[in-house]
Amino acid sequence: AAGVIQSPRHLIKEKRETATLKCYPIPRHDTVYWYQQGPGQDPQFLISFYEKMQSDKGSIPDRFSAQQFSDYHSELNMSSLELGDSALYFCASSPIGRKGEQFFGPGTRLTVL
Amino acid sequence: AQTVTQSQPEMSVQEAETVTLSCTYDTSESDYYLFWYKQPPSRQMILVIRQEAYKQQNATENRFSVNFQKAAKSFSLKISDSQLGDAAMYFCAYDESNFGNEKLTFGTGTRLTIIP
Repeated sequence: AAGVIQSPRHLIKEKRETATLKCYPIPRHDTVYWYQQGPGQDPQFLISFYEKMQSDKGSIPDRFSAQQFSDYHSELNMSSLELGDSALYFCASSPIGRKGEQFFGPGTRLTVL
Repeated sequence: AQTVTQSQPEMSVQEAETVTLSCTYDTSESDYYLFWYKQPPSRQMILVIRQEAYKQQNATENRFSVNFQKAAKSFSLKISDSQLGDAAMYFCAYDESNFGNEKLTFGTGTRLTIIP
């Protein structure tokens, strides 16, 4: 079965650089979520999109922005990177009519040096 | 704001035995969803089991079952016949059913060790 695809899987950036993370949801899933998981922590919700519109927003820094495109893939853009942004970033998608069931991608591990 | 509490940072169980992981949550909503996710060393988040609050029947998925006590706001996970592959971090999660507020709120996790 198709799963959520995230790219890249690993990313190393310097402080103050910019990073773009991509997410391709499972086909026919209409909602995409982004989460950040710091070392030894639980995942924290950043932002979600339903049918290409932002549907909810969590503790996402102003330096981060995201969007969902017409093909339903989503991108998380992170600027002015800080050391504290080093984390595992998950994208999840959920299917039409199956409320609350989120399927996670493998994550992108971002390291900021 | 909704909160999810997992009071057991670590648990261990003998292979083939049964273990129960605890989770409590706080919400003023009457309709919501609860989940257990498993995160093995690969860091992949894997959905283990899902419970809808309006359903009184406890969810079951093969060796995994829950004890959902809505009045007590308790949602524990029972793993029967524990296997080495069950070793992982387990997160309890809460999700409101309202459109526009569907984010998962996670507990801090319980690390489960399986003793051969």
